Amino acid sequence: AQSVTQLGSHVSVSEGALVLLRCNYSSSVPPYLFWYVQYPNQGLQLLLKYTTGATLVKGINGFEAEFKKSETSFHLTKPSAHMSDAAEYFCAVSDLGSSNTGKLIFGQGTTLQVKP
Amino acid sequence: DGGITQSPKYLFRKEGQNVTLSCEQNLNHDAMYWYRQDPGQGLRLIYYSQIVNDFQKGDIAEGYSVSREKKESFPLTVTSAQKNPTAFYLCASSTGGYGINKQYFGPGTRLTVT
Repeated sequence: AQSVTQLGSHVSVSEGALVLLRCNYSSSVPPYLFWYVQYPNQGLQLLLKYTTGATLVKGINGFEAEFKKSETSFHLTKPSAHMSDAAEYFCAVSDLGSSNTGKLIFGQGTTLQVKP
Repeated sequence: DGGITQSPKYLFRKEGQNVTLSCEQNLNHDAMYWYRQDPGQGLRLIYYSQIVNDFQKGDIAEGYSVSREKKESFPLTVTSAQKNPTAFYLCASSTGGYGINKQYFGPGTRLTVT
């Protein structure tokens, strides 16, 4: 069964600093991986996804993530944090096992704080 | 504009009452999902539907019920059997239920039961 672990429930960076949010997954089949962002009291918005092909995926708002099969990781990065990046970030893997339901399995979430 | 609407945004109920949360989409998506969000636990799947008139239990379906009579609508009923109903509920939809498609989320309904 697929699972996702996000390392660090809270990450704090200064404005202009590198953002690194960590995600490790477990999957018995080639995974489809997603990063979503959630602003307070709102729904989730897709930042980027990896399905097949190029392992470095670029998303919206300057974010990108690299799929590393050998490390079973899909870490999210942004070179320079903005105050508007403060939100909760979720990594997810798609359930593409034998059930093939299209379910998303989410990590616990990482809250990003950006300090001025 | 296409999207997903959930209503109401905030909902208050007394313990022992059933309550129905609305979810409507005009994206012509086949698949729809209900998630529950609790602090520090991420999102957990309650029910999902890949096609009209069909739905499946997710990971935490006990105490919840759904219907999918129309493609656009996927209401969730929180019954009195749900032990801890206070949570943030998110509805989502996608073009297909096979894992590669983006899920679009509604703005959520925050349910408080006292």
